[in-house]
Amino acid sequence: DGGITQSPKYLFRKEGQNVTLSCEQNLNHDAMYWYRQDPGQGLRLIYYSQIVNDFQKGDIAEGYSVSREKKESFPLTVTSAQKNPTAFYLCASSRQGALGANVLTFGAGSRLTVL
Amino acid sequence: KNEVEQSPQNLTAQEGEFITINCSYSVGISALHWLQQHPGGGIVSLFMLSSGKKKHGRLIATINIQEKHSSLHITASHPRDSAVYICAVNTGTASKLTFGTGTRLQVTL
Repeated sequence: DGGITQSPKYLFRKEGQNVTLSCEQNLNHDAMYWYRQDPGQGLRLIYYSQIVNDFQKGDIAEGYSVSREKKESFPLTVTSAQKNPTAFYLCASSRQGALGANVLTFGAGSRLTVL
Repeated sequence: KNEVEQSPQNLTAQEGEFITINCSYSVGISALHWLQQHPGGGIVSLFMLSSGKKKHGRLIATINIQEKHSSLHITASHPRDSAVYICAVNTGTASKLTFGTGTRLQVTL
C-alpha cells in the first residue's frame, strides 16, 4: 500500500544535539511538507518542497533544516539552534506542488522530547 | 483572533447521537479541509471542499463561502469516531494551509 513512513516514532534528544527525522513516501507525490504540532495549537508549517532539489521555508523554519535529494525522501533535521524542539512532528505529501489546493497525505508522526 | 476557529473545543456524545463540529474562518480561501487525528497522532484527510456539500459514509461536510463557515456532521456516532477533528483552509498555494486547533470528540457507549 502506498503511504508515508516516518521514523523514528519516538525520539529523545539531549540539549545541544542535532537529530534527523526521516520521511519517505511511495505515492509519487511531488510536494512534501513538515509540520510541527504543539498542545493547544494548530499545525504549523516548518518547510515544504514542491520538487526535488528545491525547498522553501514555512512559518517556523528557524532552527530546522531539510533536504530533498530524492522525490521519495524529505528528512528534517532539528538543530541545536531550535530553542524549544519538544513537539510532535508530522510529514505530509500532496500530488501537485505548484498551485491550487490538494489533499494531503500524512505520516504517523514523530514525537521528539528534549531531555 | 485566529484565522480559523473551531467549536466546540471538546465534545462528548453517546453512541448513536448526531454530531456537528463547526469551523469559521476570516480570510478568503480556495478550499477547506477536514482532517481526523486519532490518539496515536496520525492524521487522515476526510474532505476537501470549496463549495456545497460532500458525503462519505456517515460523515457529511458542508461549506458556506459567503458566511465563511463549514460544518462537519457525523451521523449515528460510534466510539471509533473518537478523535480530534481539525479544520484547515487553503489561502493560496497548497503550501499555505492554516489549521484550527481541533475539536476533541469522545463517543461513549
